[in-house]
Amino acid sequence: EVHLVETGGGLIQPGGSLRLSCAASGFSVSGAYFNWVRLAPGKGLEWVSSFYGVGHTYYADSVKGRFTISIDNSKNTLYLQMNSLRVEDTAVYYCATTGVPADLGGFSYYHYMDVWGKGTTVTVSS
Amino acid sequence: DIVLTQTPLSLPVTPGEPASISCRSSQSLIHSNGHYYLDWFLQKPGQSPQLLIYLGSKRASGVPDRFSGSGAGTDFTLQISRVEAEDVGIYYCMQPLQTPITFGQGTRLEIK
Repeated sequence: EVHLVETGGGLIQPGGSLRLSCAASGFSVSGAYFNWVRLAPGKGLEWVSSFYGVGHTYYADSVKGRFTISIDNSKNTLYLQMNSLRVEDTAVYYCATTGVPADLGGFSYYHYMDVWGKGTTVTVSS
Repeated sequence: DIVLTQTPLSLPVTPGEPASISCRSSQSLIHSNGHYYLDWFLQKPGQSPQLLIYLGSKRASGVPDRFSGSGAGTDFTLQISRVEAEDVGIYYCMQPLQTPITFGQGTRLEIK
């Protein structure tokens, strides 16, 4: 069974750094598509970053230049390095991936977010 | 950026009654492959989001058939044929057609 577990959250002062981990089990992260999505207190879901392969990483404008998404195939783990943290980065951070992508035919697949971790809480406060 | 606007934002429903949520996009969500890149999620209280519908109308694995999605272009709808108590939570539409991936504001469904 495909499973994701996020860790690394905590209380951090503004300007500090944290590295979130998303450990995968039941499948190999190699070749998989991943996303980080966050839920801030009182707000709705917000996309943070996506990893679609080496050289294919994407970021929300609000985190670009501060956050870095990466994968360690040997550890079967996705990471989100978060630097220069701000109070507005306070949220529950979820990693999400695709269990089995939808086959659209013609070697085209749809990578929906159907597998989610339980999330890890990041609190940025002085 | 593609803006998704959901209505209503709050939806009180009597169990057994139908419910409908609209998601309007600022741009067409049609991909060059002919599919509409619009997904629906439900986040139940205290839980992670779960995928309900993908590509506008395809039900995700394990999702009850009382949930259905429809729409085209910029207008999409999530329908629940008969609401059950376990359907409470916040419903979001999301477009992965282009980055930044964007979500609607969320619609809170509550039981009357």
